[in-house]
Amino acid sequence: QSVLTQPPSASGTPGQRVTISCSGSSSNIGSNTVNWYQQLPGTAPKLLIYTNSQRPSGVPDRFSGSKSGTSASLAISGLQPEDEADYYCEARDDSLNAYVFGTGTKVTVL
Amino acid sequence: EVQLVESGGGLVQPGGSLRLSCAASGFTFKSHPMHWVRQAPGKGLEYVSSITSDGGNTYDANSVKGRFTISRDNSNNTLYLQMDNLRPEDMAVYYCARRSSYSGTYYSDYWGQGTLVTVSS
Repeated sequence: QSVLTQPPSASGTPGQRVTISCSGSSSNIGSNTVNWYQQLPGTAPKLLIYTNSQRPSGVPDRFSGSKSGTSASLAISGLQPEDEADYYCEARDDSLNAYVFGTGTKVTVL
Repeated sequence: EVQLVESGGGLVQPGGSLRLSCAASGFTFKSHPMHWVRQAPGKGLEYVSSITSDGGNTYDANSVKGRFTISRDNSNNTLYLQMDNLRPEDMAVYYCARRSSYSGTYYSDYWGQGTLVTVSS
């Protein structure tokens, strides 16, 4: 039911680059910024990227975000075992007058 | 240190009510909008409700509109979620989250540990 679509899964070996997409529409990503959250197993979500590409202090620089048109992407360069988690995008949807999350992507480190 | 601690979850029958609380500390609570976000077992994150810093405006997801009420007590640094007429599909872990801003955009920079709401007869 989410209006933001992410691939259900992504994987890579340690050191590889993994990219996660978040596809929306003109009423959400197309007109608002995107945030990304990481959720490790059994824990609360943690802010990873805000305002499309800003990294909070303490987040490794191997995480980066970008946005173009109605889509956004999260890239993990130099994948680490501790990056195995679920990742969610978030944006405001002007039509719904509410915030929406992406469907979530489970990243597996092979 | 910023801390958000939820409480009030538990087992409730369909049609019943619960009030969740989120105790905030380590920051100026009255300066931040707040959100409630939930996660059903094995599912993704779902926005529930939000409230402005002064409590003057609230917003709810369509799935809870008319049944849930978000509120806050800035004098006691506490966020609330009153949940009425609960349905089985409301069963989830409920998180409170602090909203912060950058260049006019908002994001959840701190989250509580969550409280589990179980709706079952």
